[in-house]
Order: sequence, then structure tokens, then C-alpha cells
Amino acid sequence: DTGVSQDPRHKITKRGQNVTFRCDPISEHNRLYWYRQTLGQGPEFLTYFQNEAQLEKSRLLSDRFSAERPKGSFSTLEIQRTEQGDSAMYLCASTLEGSTDTQYFGPGTRLTVL
Amino acid sequence: QKEVEQNSGPLSVPEGAIASLNCTYSDRGSQSFFWYRQYSGKSPELIMFIYSNGDKEDGRFTAQLNKASQYVSLLIRDSQPSDSATYLCAVMSGSARQLTFGSGTQLTVLP
Repeated sequence: DTGVSQDPRHKITKRGQNVTFRCDPISEHNRLYWYRQTLGQGPEFLTYFQNEAQLEKSRLLSDRFSAERPKGSFSTLEIQRTEQGDSAMYLCASTLEGSTDTQYFGPGTRLTVL
Repeated sequence: QKEVEQNSGPLSVPEGAIASLNCTYSDRGSQSFFWYRQYSGKSPELIMFIYSNGDKEDGRFTAQLNKASQYVSLLIRDSQPSDSATYLCAVMSGSARQLTFGSGTQLTVLP
């Protein structure tokens, strides 16, 4: 257990529905990342927060995706109008600026879109 | 060309042998390199990081970095069946200092 938690661990939804995932980073970590991992591939970067500011978004993050980190603590990732191609493991990682930059991953949320 | 390439495997070694995992990267400006282990259905777990050219040892694990050749490797000595997993090479880059991962190498250690 790295200290990063994610909820839910599994989500099954029907195409077209909206889903929201939550990530609670290690408490003193000010940097938070979201990644997506599909079967047989390494994780791919989606977006990054430094404290409450969303500073970078990947081109993978379509308009249907939105992420927030109010008050610089937990973060949420919402997917609107889900598509079957959104089925993946969504991973959250956190790190402390000025440290070794080591990112610690949460257990992930596995999304299945039917 | 992918930014981070790993030998795709799968790689099988007998228990007690040395497992060698390799990774090349394209961004010559990359500064930080990480190896993660991922068991099936689980999230990546950090094994080691390396910043400087040369070797870095931690227990049974040794990471090797050659920035001139843009090459990173991980050696696992005295491999154990519990080391059977997918090993992910990750390179840190960009203003966000995000990780770019290879596709992973699946390692099986045979008892």
C-alpha cells in the first residue's frame, strides 16, 4: 500500500453514461497525476495537477474528460458519455515537488464500458 | 518510433538465475529513469530509480544507465518465482515531469 487510494476499484457502466473516479494522494504530496492503462500497454499520461492547478493535459484527454483537484487535496476524473474505447485501468499517482520525483501509484480504477 | 521501447518478451528464466531487462528511450534530454513492477491486475509498484550514468544497486536489483546510448537496464539476481511480473521502464520528461512508459516486459521465473 503506497498511501494513494482510489475509489471505486471497479466500475461497470453502459455506453453513454457518465462516470466519476476519485483519487486521494499521499497527504503531503502536492503533485498529482492521472494515467490510463489498457491491456498489454504501459500507462499513458492524461493530466497533471500541482496543488489545485491543472497544469498540463495530454492530447489523449478528449473533451469528454474533465479532472479537478479542489483545495489541492483529492482529485476527481469524470468521463462523460462513455464509449467502449474508454474501457481501461485509470491510475492516479502522486509525488512531492522537490523530492526524488518518484511517483507512487494508487490501486487504480478498472472501468468497463458495455 | 515509440518514445520508450522495451524488449517485449515474454522472458523466462530459471529460479536463481539472473534476469536482464532492457529499455531504450528517444528523448536525449531525459534525466530520470524508473523501473516499476506490475503484477497482473495490480498497479505499478516502484522498484528503483536512477539519474546518473552507471550502476545503482538495491538488494537483488541493479539498474544500469547509459545516457550516451539512451539505454536503461534492470538486472535481477537470484530470481525468485515471486519476481514473475511485468516490468515497466519509465522515463520522466516534460514540464509536468510526467512518466512515459514502455509496454513492459513480462518475466516468468520458473521454479
